[in-house]
Amino acid sequence: RKEVEQDPGPFNVPEGATVAFNCTYSNSASQSFFWYRQDCRKEPKLLMSVYSSGNEDGRFTAQLNRASQYISLLIRDSKLSDSATYLCVVIGNTGFQKLVFGTGTRLLVSP
Amino acid sequence: GAGVSQSPSNKVTEKGKDVELRCDPISGHTALYWYRQSLGQGLEFLIYFQGNSAPDKSGLPSDRFSAERTGGSVSTLTIQRTQQEDSAVYLCASSLGGFGETQYFGPGTRLLVL
Repeated sequence: RKEVEQDPGPFNVPEGATVAFNCTYSNSASQSFFWYRQDCRKEPKLLMSVYSSGNEDGRFTAQLNRASQYISLLIRDSKLSDSATYLCVVIGNTGFQKLVFGTGTRLLVSP
Repeated sequence: GAGVSQSPSNKVTEKGKDVELRCDPISGHTALYWYRQSLGQGLEFLIYFQGNSAPDKSGLPSDRFSAERTGGSVSTLTIQRTQQEDSAVYLCASSLGGFGETQYFGPGTRLLVL
């Protein structure tokens, strides 16, 4: 079983739609959680950190459920520019900072 | 300011040759990481440097892979006797080094082994 699992998609949605991505992680001792965005043939870029209390950044809302080892990302009012692969990322508790990536969920927003 | 830079951006080599990939982290970042992304695969961790030391080399796939960092800055990832399965995008990231600090990625080196 992979340490971080995501639905690979693609999710095809029209502009203006609301879309949600989910992610599960297997290491219950994981400490930090993130969503990264990766455009085609580009490097990953941090979208937002994820906290147990939930956090929102504009149209993006991230939630963490530690009991279920589940992370979510909600995108409201989708824009064409949101088309990308969204990577769920976890840092374990080893004291080292290595990021453990899911394989990503691809989003395609169409006009 | 300048971000993480990597060179070369693309490298084509023949099976069995050695290659060196370079990473210049963001100035002042003490932590440096190497990852690779193979076609259809997620990013996988290779090695982590704190300063010039590598406390976590657990992701290096074989003894053909090695990395060093000098002066707490530039890092080189070396792959000896390359194999076709080494073809991937090799990404470098750097951070301030504290726990949970954001890692900033370079554009990557696309390696193709023929």
